[in-house]
Amino acid sequence: SSELTQDPAVSVALGQTVRITCRGGSFERHHISWYQQKPRQAPVLVLYGKNNRPSGSPDRFSGSISGNTASLTITGAQAEDEGDYFCNSRDSSGDHLVFGGGTRLTVL
Amino acid sequence: EVQLMQPAIEVKKPGESLRISCQVSGDTSTVNRIAWVRQMAGKGLEWMGVVNLRNSGTTYSPSFQGQVTVSADRSLMTAHLQWTSLKVADTAVYFCARQRQLTTVLYYMDVWGAGTTVIVSS
Repeated sequence: SSELTQDPAVSVALGQTVRITCRGGSFERHHISWYQQKPRQAPVLVLYGKNNRPSGSPDRFSGSISGNTASLTITGAQAEDEGDYFCNSRDSSGDHLVFGGGTRLTVL
Repeated sequence: EVQLMQPAIEVKKPGESLRISCQVSGDTSTVNRIAWVRQMAGKGLEWMGVVNLRNSGTTYSPSFQGQVTVSADRSLMTAHLQWTSLKVADTAVYFCARQRQLTTVLYYMDVWGAGTTVIVSS
């Protein structure tokens, strides 16, 4: 089982705002990264650190951290945002990386 | 720009050995570490371990320590993931990814291979 906990599924109406959470990490100490995966494709990095977007990641993606909970917020969700989202951070030992269980986002 | 090339599929029998590769091309000077990530059918991502292409140093997830071997060939800019005796339960997609370290506490994987589907079946 993962040390990082995510809700299995979340839905959002087209154009609305949705927050995907990741709980259980020491995110102030071991920063987080977020990945989007669409069916039969490799994951894509969408956010890293407290709020850094790699080149090509839309600015509707943003991040925040509060204690042992990190959030990925999509402001104005689009149909192409549908997919699975995984958080990743270092484990409690600090020596290894670990993924959350993933959240399936449905855009209605 | 960096690209990571992986074979698309490998089919093996239980008990057989296998080594899959991840070849780095493009701006190879920006690639120091390659991570391996497993995804079983219908399941999430699992970080298996990482290899340093420059000095071949390795770190394994406790879940995979002793189950697989990661290695690197610096001259070929290629990372490898190896099994000595495959099990049916090793059937999965295996991704390699460039693992970057921005600070002492921030790690992320920003370039991914397309994945190798490993099928282990008698």
